[in-house]
Amino acid sequence: EDKVVQSPLSLVVHEGDTVTLNCSYEVTNFRSLLWYKQEKKAPTFLFMLTSSGIEKKSGRLSSILDKKELFSILNITATQTGDSAIYLCAVDGSLRGSTLGRLYFGRGTQLTVWP
Amino acid sequence: DTEVTQTPKHLVMGMTNKKSLKCEQHMGHRAMYWYKQKAKKPPELMFVYSYEKLSINESVPSRFSPECPNSSLLNLHLHALQPEDSALYLCASSQDRGGGGEQFFGPGTRLTVL
Repeated sequence: EDKVVQSPLSLVVHEGDTVTLNCSYEVTNFRSLLWYKQEKKAPTFLFMLTSSGIEKKSGRLSSILDKKELFSILNITATQTGDSAIYLCAVDGSLRGSTLGRLYFGRGTQLTVWP
Repeated sequence: DTEVTQTPKHLVMGMTNKKSLKCEQHMGHRAMYWYKQKAKKPPELMFVYSYEKLSINESVPSRFSPECPNSSLLNLHLHALQPEDSALYLCASSQDRGGGGEQFFGPGTRLTVL
């Protein structure tokens, strides 16, 4: 049973479009939520969110967390072909009975940006 | 130095071979991780080391044997693997003493088992 659910699983847009990627979660002892971008190889870190309502920004990317409703969104404005990648959401927390100290990953959103 | 390095980049091995994957970080991180990632799937946690001690083993088969010789190095020893073990093996590290948190990933080793 997935504890971190991302939507959509796949998204195709044209350059210049704005996209919103969603991540909902269900873990106990929540510590943080992280977004990663994965192209051919290893995931590269984008954001770590720990507090509700505080937007994090990096260039055209931004993200926000809602700890009451248990979700986060990742926005990308003015998309470029170089944004094509899988975007992974991960939650640092624990499930009932498990040990702290791991990330629970969602299945990712495959974003394709056409020129 | 803000990167995690992994060697080799690619590895092809037979089911009777013994090989090792290596991971190194010099960021002073005290938690290190091994993940396995199959195509079109998210990374699956295998092992967590915290302060050079194994803190999490996600019921990984004994043909995978981790080792943390010191705080900068993490190895994964492979023996008698199966073709279904073919995957991208990722190492990561984090500063968090309890593990989790912001993890930095290495480039991975693409393993093929024949």
